Amino acid sequence: SQQGEEDPQALSIQEGENATMNCSYKTSINNLQWYRQNSGRGLVHLILIRSNEREKHSGRLRVTLDTSKKSSSLLITASRAADTASYFCATDPAYSGAGSYQLTFGKGTKLSVIP
Amino acid sequence: EAQVTQNPRYLITVTGKKLTVTCSQNMNHEYMSWYRQDPGLGLRQIYYSMNVEVTDKGDVPEGYKVSRKEKRNFPLILESPSPNQTSLYFCASSLRSSGYEQYFGPGTRLTVT
Repeated sequence: SQQGEEDPQALSIQEGENATMNCSYKTSINNLQWYRQNSGRGLVHLILIRSNEREKHSGRLRVTLDTSKKSSSLLITASRAADTASYFCATDPAYSGAGSYQLTFGKGTKLSVIP
Repeated sequence: EAQVTQNPRYLITVTGKKLTVTCSQNMNHEYMSWYRQDPGLGLRQIYYSMNVEVTDKGDVPEGYKVSRKEKRNFPLILESPSPNQTSLYFCASSLRSSGYEQYFGPGTRLTVT
């Protein structure tokens, strides 16, 4: 099944800097979601961007979506040590079989914010 | 409090001993799903359920069973666990399928020896 691929796999920055993570996918989508996971814990939803949207903001988060390039980016501005986590994109496919649905996750970007 | 609960949180078992991991949500969500997370492989979907009595295979269903007799519960059954099922398991739910955020449980760390 389709899978988003995050880039880079790992990112280390100083507190206060901005962090940018990218996600690429292969087929058409209805929407794309970003999740955060603190070490070993359940994923937490951050933001959902629909296929007809190009940019979305939520607090210090900015997500862009380029459907022509099949890619999305997550920008965290003014990072904090508490932002240290893994970040996953998840793609919601535009075409599923009748009565079926799968949200497919990438392998994640591990972000470390150094105080 | 709106939440997804899983039990047990940690489990060490032996090969072949049947086990069940429970999952329950209190948000009246239609869609529920099980994932496993392994280093370097990300999250992979095991099974999902669009609604009561409607379940379907995900990407890695071999060795697992599920049932959805009630809207709130979606147990994961390992009839004969094997060491390659050692993993971190997550249950998730959403109001409906497409277009809705998923709420994740805290995870169940399973070790099969």
